[in-house]
Amino acid sequence: KAGVTQTPRYLIKTRGQQVTLSCSPISGHRSVSWYQQTPGQGLQFLFEYFSETQRNKGNFPGRFSGRQFSNSRSEMNVSTLELGDSALYLCASSSPTGEYEQYFGPGTRLTVT
Amino acid sequence: GNSVTQMEGPVTLSEEAFLTINCTYTATGYPSLFWYVQYPGEGLQLLLKATKADDKGSNKGFEATYRKETTSFHLEKGSVQVSDSAVYFCALTYGYRQAGTALIFGKGTTLSVSS
Repeated sequence: KAGVTQTPRYLIKTRGQQVTLSCSPISGHRSVSWYQQTPGQGLQFLFEYFSETQRNKGNFPGRFSGRQFSNSRSEMNVSTLELGDSALYLCASSSPTGEYEQYFGPGTRLTVT
Repeated sequence: GNSVTQMEGPVTLSEEAFLTINCTYTATGYPSLFWYVQYPGEGLQLLLKATKADDKGSNKGFEATYRKETTSFHLEKGSVQVSDSAVYFCALTYGYRQAGTALIFGKGTTLSVSS
């Protein structure tokens, strides 16, 4: 079974621009979560989608948004990029019958200049 | 609030040495506990899990026991290899189906094993 895939793997953007990251979960998984990883703050939860609905949200500004499609694929968008948004963005999917374990993709490395 | 505290690294060991990485948590109720590992340039891989008190998770020679009385989930391995060099994260979730399954992570512990 294929793992979680994320595109693109690397991205360089300029302050003020917006960016969209994509995530395809493991087949059959309906929950997709997003995390931001930085050296200073570590791993922080952004939001979770289940059946196209956001059911949990972390403590991030409204510039960070996401959505999920009917095939469970998910996108996250960051508008008005700031230097501090430079991070590794990780997507994870989980099974509705699993014991809450999440399976992570390789991440998208976003650099804001 | 809920939180996870890990011993700070880096942890430097020789091959075949015994490994312990301490993890304690603060949470109400009965969270599920996990260890994830991150190799350079990669995402996180689930290493092992435990979902209730006294459960022992194990995988690839690594073990951790869910100790509710000490709110701990320490990771151990009897004999480390160079290939175990990575960053290890302890995490918890409540996994409420209605409220979601957000993971709360510790800061991570870097392990470096030399031959």
